[in-house]
Amino acid sequence: TQLLEQSPQFLSIQEGENLTVYCNSSSVFSSLQWYRQEPGEGPVLLVTVVTGGEVKKLKRLTFQFGDARKDSSLHITAAQPGDTGLYLCAGAPGANNLFFGTGTRLTVIP
Amino acid sequence: DVKVTQSSRYLVKRTGEKVFLECVQDMDHENMFWYRQDPGLGLRLIYFSYDVKMKEKGDIPEGYSVSREKKERFSLILESASTNQTSMYLCASGRYQETQYFGPGTRLLVL
Repeated sequence: TQLLEQSPQFLSIQEGENLTVYCNSSSVFSSLQWYRQEPGEGPVLLVTVVTGGEVKKLKRLTFQFGDARKDSSLHITAAQPGDTGLYLCAGAPGANNLFFGTGTRLTVIP
Repeated sequence: DVKVTQSSRYLVKRTGEKVFLECVQDMDHENMFWYRQDPGLGLRLIYFSYDVKMKEKGDIPEGYSVSREKKERFSLILESASTNQTSMYLCASGRYQETQYFGPGTRLLVL
C-alpha cells in the first residue's frame, strides 16, 4: 500500500494570508495530482505534475513536485474564502490507479 | 468539460435492501472507478473497470459488486445493505487511470 501523508490535517487562516500544505510519501510516483473538494461535492482536479522538480501555477495556487518524485506541496497566496475546502493529493505509482492522501481541510475566514 | 453524473445525491435505505448506484460519463473514457469516502479514512477504491464488461477489485470490494454493460455507465451494487456501508460514494472516470474526474457523489445512509 502506498502511503501518502498530508499535513497539516486542518488549517484555519484569515483572508489574505499565505499558506502551504504538504503531501509526503516514501514511495516514488510517476505523477501526482491535487484535487479540491467542497462540502457535499466530489473532488475537482486542480493539477497534475509529472516531472521531478516541476512547478505549476494556477492563478494564486503554486504546485511543486519534489525532485525525487516522492512529495509535493501546494502554496496559496493571499487566500480567499472561496479557497475553503478539502485539498487532496493523489499519487500514481505507475499506470494503475491512484492512491489518495487523507487531505488537508482548509478554512479561510473572511 | 468532463461531466460525470451520479443517479442520486442522497439515498436512505434499510438494512438488507439491494441498492443500485449509477454513474454516467460523457467523455468516452475507458476507465471508471467507484470509491467510498469516510472521515479519517480518505478515499478508498471499491472497484474499477478499464473496459466494457471488465472489472477489477479495489481495496475494499467486500459487500459490493459492479456492472459495466456500456462504456459510459458503471453501476455499483450493494447486494444486502448494512449500516457499515453508510458513506459517501464517489464515481470517477478517466482516459488514463492516473487522472480521474469525479462525479458529485451519493451520500448513502443505511438504517
